[in-house]
Amino acid sequence: DVVMTQSPLSLPVTLGQPASISCRSSQSLVYSNGNTYLYWFQQRPGQSPRRLIYKVSNRDSGVPDRFSGSGSGTDFTLRISRVEAEDVGVYYCMQGTHWPPTFGGGTKVEIK
Amino acid sequence: QLQLQESGPGLVKPSETLSLTCSVSGGSISSSSYYWGWIRQPPGKGLEFIGAISYSGNTFYNPSLKSRVTISVDTSKNQFSLRLSSVTDADTAVYYCARRAGSSWADFDYWGQGSLVTVSS
Repeated sequence: DVVMTQSPLSLPVTLGQPASISCRSSQSLVYSNGNTYLYWFQQRPGQSPRRLIYKVSNRDSGVPDRFSGSGSGTDFTLRISRVEAEDVGVYYCMQGTHWPPTFGGGTKVEIK
Repeated sequence: QLQLQESGPGLVKPSETLSLTCSVSGGSISSSSYYWGWIRQPPGKGLEFIGAISYSGNTFYNPSLKSRVTISVDTSKNQFSLRLSSVTDADTAVYYCARRAGSSWADFDYWGQGSLVTVSS
């Protein structure tokens, strides 16, 4: 299985400051059709995961533009330009290029 | 607005079979555009893909669980179901049902609220 490694495990951030989460895969996530199937999910406390970003850098409808995704190959990043209180939660990357789909271990974003 | 809702027993004995149903509302499960999946999360831990099914009954299982998993669909009830046999305490988790859109097995755009299943005697 493709191993997805996220860092850091925990990310204390001051309100209004930027945050960055890294996700690295054990194999390239570029599919044979040229697409890269790397997704980001947010899980707020006590809630179900919510898709934020699809195919590396596309924001879902309703996702604030302070969230952005980037990367290629095996190295990906989720950035929050200015952290707000509602951003607290655990963020997961997930790959859908290789079978079976696999998740990263999660990064917990908390307010300092 | 599409909604998914898991239901089933919250407590299962070791070696028995876990059974959950996901009811879909606000949209039809009988669409060739989507697959319907199950994902689980042990308490305090990360997420694991279990498997998925198409409306026509094509199934796709995570190899790590394949020998114990059965996913089925009932289009007349707009529901799909998960059965996991020979459970142990390692199967204690919140089980989510979700819709897979697009062309990728990570493309889960709608999720249920989750159902906690505890394996204990």
